[in-house]
Amino acid sequence: GDSVTQMEGPVTLSEEAFLTINCTYTATGYPSLFWYVQYPGEGLQLLLKATKADDKGSNKGFEATYRKETTSFHLEKGSVQVSDSAVYFCALSGPNTGNQFYFGTGTSLTVIP
Amino acid sequence: KAGVTQTPRYLIKTRGQQVTLSCSPISGHRSVSWYQQTPGQGLQFLFEYFSETQRNKGNFPGRFSGRQFSNSRSEMNVSTLELGDSALYLCASSSTSGGPPETQYFGPGTRLLVL
Repeated sequence: GDSVTQMEGPVTLSEEAFLTINCTYTATGYPSLFWYVQYPGEGLQLLLKATKADDKGSNKGFEATYRKETTSFHLEKGSVQVSDSAVYFCALSGPNTGNQFYFGTGTSLTVIP
Repeated sequence: KAGVTQTPRYLIKTRGQQVTLSCSPISGHRSVSWYQQTPGQGLQFLFEYFSETQRNKGNFPGRFSGRQFSNSRSEMNVSTLELGDSALYLCASSSTSGGPPETQYFGPGTRLLVL
């Protein structure tokens, strides 16, 4: 069935460091891919999304490119800030899943000054 | 537009009791999904309602049920609570009408503690 595999955490970085969080997926057909972020005590917020191969989603300095050939959707940011400390979830929803989303296990990021 | 709202935000119950959680979607959104989030299992899909009908269901026992009203508001019920039901319950709404997947917008969640 459809699934998402996400890089294990936790990840600790210094401010201004480069961030990569790996995400790979398994799906039949062509899913839409998403990154959500969860700040402490809150629900999930959409960070970015891509709906077809080679699309790049971007928001708040974060980027991810939908790579069909490697079934990946890695999240990157060139220079992290303390305020980026949160848990990041990769997710997919595909034409065969109805509106059901499949989430990765989440990667906790802590950015230290 | 107002976001997804969930009530109550926090709840403490004892084993064997039942609980009802409420979710009001973003205005105009007709799809409401429910998720259970726990440290051990992560985010697990419970069910999705669209136009008052359950359209998708995850792998949870029958103690977990839901419904959706004509105004798209949704309720989730858990009967005969168990300790393992302690979790953050998240509701998400989207505007999908059965076409390509639409973004889901999440509420802040209801944190349930079962003692």
